[in-house]
Amino acid sequence: KQEVTQIPAALSVPEGENLVLNCSFTDSAIYNLQWFRQDPGKGLTSLLLIQSSQREQTSGRLNASLDKSSGRSTLYIAASQPGDSATYLCAAPGAGANNLFFGTGTRLTVIP
Amino acid sequence: NAGVMQNPRHLVRRRGQEARLRCSPMKGHSHVYWYRQLPEEGLKFMVYLQKENIIDESGMPKERFSAEFPKEGPSILRIQQVVRGDSAAYFCASSPPGRISYGYTFGSGTRLTVV
Repeated sequence: KQEVTQIPAALSVPEGENLVLNCSFTDSAIYNLQWFRQDPGKGLTSLLLIQSSQREQTSGRLNASLDKSSGRSTLYIAASQPGDSATYLCAAPGAGANNLFFGTGTRLTVIP
Repeated sequence: NAGVMQNPRHLVRRRGQEARLRCSPMKGHSHVYWYRQLPEEGLKFMVYLQKENIIDESGMPKERFSAEFPKEGPSILRIQQVVRGDSAAYFCASSPPGRISYGYTFGSGTRLTVV
């Protein structure tokens, strides 16, 4: 069964800093990995989807990498802004599974 | 192009009542997934449905919970005789037919409170 772990659980940074969020998964036979953002009391917004054949994806100030062999993905946020404050979730499918397995997230606070 | 629509956004039920949560997938999506997020916990898969078929219900509690996705209309997650432990956020996601590799789109969720 796929297990997804995210560290750190919480992170506070001053505005303008670059930061990295980490995600690890136990079953490397994945066909993609997805990063989401969740604001308090809100739904999930998809940020980046990395296919298994890709090593990274970029969208604006966000860059996500995927290393299947080591079972790791990172989400890099450049020049952080207070509006980036949210919980970031990493999710990966399991081998033969029809669903995503989620980490418990990293709660990011960007201090103005 | 509306996204995944869930309603109601908030639902309050007394213990023993029934809760019915609705989800309309994105246009062109025929696969629906339900997830539950308990307070301070991660999202857990509950059930995967296609039109008129339950494909995988391995995450559904054995009793009181059921789901359907009829030929016409939204997918329904039904919780009978709710208990306080059912209080959670319930999220629905959809994906295109046969294209799980395209990723999921989630709705805004239904927050169920059992009093």
